[in-house]
Amino acid sequence: NAGVTQTPKFQVLKTGQSMTLQCAQDMNHEYMSWYRQDPGMGLRLIHYSVGAGITDQGEVPNGYNVSRSTTEDFPLRLLSAAPSQTSVYFCASSYSKAGAYEQYFGPGTRLTVT
Amino acid sequence: GDSVTQMEGPVTLSEEAFLTINCTYTATGYPSLFWYVQYPGEGLQLLLKATKADDKGSNKGFEATYRKETTSFHLEKGSVQVSDSAVYFCALSGYSSASKIIFGSGTRLSIRP
Repeated sequence: NAGVTQTPKFQVLKTGQSMTLQCAQDMNHEYMSWYRQDPGMGLRLIHYSVGAGITDQGEVPNGYNVSRSTTEDFPLRLLSAAPSQTSVYFCASSYSKAGAYEQYFGPGTRLTVT
Repeated sequence: GDSVTQMEGPVTLSEEAFLTINCTYTATGYPSLFWYVQYPGEGLQLLLKATKADDKGSNKGFEATYRKETTSFHLEKGSVQVSDSAVYFCALSGYSSASKIIFGSGTRLSIRP
């Protein structure tokens, strides 16, 4: 299994540009999430999905869209990039094991908005 | 709402020293508790977990015990190695939001040879 994969690894955007960060998992996990990681702030939840066709907002959803057309894929779209969106983005998938939802993380996408 | 508080870093220790990273939580019901580790340039990996009170999670020499009376889940290791240098995150998954995990802000650990 490849686990959780993310592309690209690095991206530089100009303010106002749009792009999609790709995330895929091959573990048949129902739950998928997007986080951003900023220095000193830990991980903050952007959007999450509890299954194909179902998405919901997390802690910091503004400026981002998601969709979940298949179990495997959960892309994150930046509609109009802003310097405040410079961050490292992690995708994760999870499943319930003995009542605990273990998260499996991708390697991350480092995004810089100039 | 649910929250996790962990000790601020950075923490710098010498090799073979004893490690404790404190973590306390606020949650309704009976959450599951986790420690994740992030090595430089990588994503987070699950280090250990505990799903109910008095459970002890352990992995790679690290241990943490779920203490409901003190709402704590402190991470310990008896003898750290240089390879343990990483950022450690405490996290919880609550019954009210089982598909979401709440993370602490992370503690950076550096081990001197």
